[in-house]
Amino acid sequence: SQQGEEDPQALSIQEGENATMNCSYKTSINNLQWYRQNSGRGLVHLILIRSNEREKHSGRLRVTLDTSKKSSSLLITASRAADTASYFCATLPPYGQNFVFGPGTRLSVLP
Amino acid sequence: KAGVTQTPRYLIKTRGQQVTLSCSPISGHRSVSWYQQTPGQGLQFLFEYFSETQRNKGNFPGRFSGRQFSNSRSEMNVSTLELGDSALYLCASSGEVGGSSPLHFGNGTRLTVT
Repeated sequence: SQQGEEDPQALSIQEGENATMNCSYKTSINNLQWYRQNSGRGLVHLILIRSNEREKHSGRLRVTLDTSKKSSSLLITASRAADTASYFCATLPPYGQNFVFGPGTRLSVLP
Repeated sequence: KAGVTQTPRYLIKTRGQQVTLSCSPISGHRSVSWYQQTPGQGLQFLFEYFSETQRNKGNFPGRFSGRQFSNSRSEMNVSTLELGDSALYLCASSGEVGGSSPLHFGNGTRLTVT
């Protein structure tokens, strides 16, 4: 089974609204990263948060990490149509050598 | 810097054939990872190379192999293709090993096996 699981699987919102996606994982982690994928293209790194951090910001993105609940959330504020994409969380276990990706959240931002 | 380049972009093969995919990492990156992406299984780790050595391998059959050259370019090979090998194959490079820095992905090779 996957280490990370995003929730919801799909999300549809209007432009200007905020979008929140969640990621839960099973084992302890070294760090957690969020990626975006536009249809049929490669993944783009958005933000990395380490296990000793609780919150990070990057532009309109805000990521939180709760290691006690083994969960993370990605908030996109004031969404735009260009934010339409799939969003993945990727976790790295403490002694792991490769990232494990969740199944992703498909975000649709309607103009 | 130029991004990660994967060739070819699309590939159509028939069952039983073999295929080689190529990946050129970002200049200066010595770590290259490969992932398979399918609608049913999502992103699955294939293997990672660093300085021409395979560091880690995912749970894929021996038909899947790879290598890395001295200039950090990497190739992956799939032999005796099966219908289930149809997928988007993504290559990612990183400036460091061990997952402490982000992965930079190419746009992938879309492989269709008929």
